[in-house]
Amino acid sequence: AQTVTQSQPEMSVQEAETVTLSCTYDTSENNYYLFWYKQPPSRQMILVIRQEAYKQQNATENRFSVNFQKATKSFSLKISDSQLGDTAMYFCAFWAWGSGSRLTFGEGTQLTVNP
Amino acid sequence: DAGVIQSPRHEVTEMGQEVTLRCKPISGHDYLFWYRQTMMRGLELLIYFNNNVPIDDSGMPEDRFSAKMPNASFSTLKIQPSEPRDSAVYFCASSYSGGAGEQYFGPGTRLTVT
Repeated sequence: AQTVTQSQPEMSVQEAETVTLSCTYDTSENNYYLFWYKQPPSRQMILVIRQEAYKQQNATENRFSVNFQKATKSFSLKISDSQLGDTAMYFCAFWAWGSGSRLTFGEGTQLTVNP
Repeated sequence: DAGVIQSPRHEVTEMGQEVTLRCKPISGHDYLFWYRQTMMRGLELLIYFNNNVPIDDSGMPEDRFSAKMPNASFSTLKIQPSEPRDSAVYFCASSYSGGAGEQYFGPGTRLTVT
């Protein structure tokens, strides 16, 4: 079974600064995908970024990028030039072809961007 | 595409009443998931369907909960009878088998049972 751990329940950052959210996972699978989802106060779950395990290059989506370390099973999210609209709960999630199509979510990190 | 559609967005009901939550997945998606989110338990997967067939309902809390998917464009989650501890936000999500696990979530239904 897979597990996903987010060890930072809460974080805060000043507007325009950079923040990194941590995520670690445990799996015996070799072919899998990792995701970061964002849940703002509106509660809508929004996919931020995804990483395929077989790709060594880290995924990037505008101000959002990941640091994927397969050997240490680490998958952190970096938000550059933080904006007030980035205030949200962020969930790390894992999916593997052998998982029956279900996502395994971490506990979430509440990020607050301060003006 | 309109995305995953859920109704109602808010539901307030009294204990003992039947509650039905509805979901329309994204057209072409063959997987549908029902989740429940609470402060205490976080995000829990209740049940999911593939091609309208329930695949795993191990997350359904008890017999008071039931889910159906009569066709590819509609699913319901029913609670009968409802209890105050069922108060939560219920999400529906969909994905397609070629999408490598990427799920798209609806806006959620906030259920309050008094």
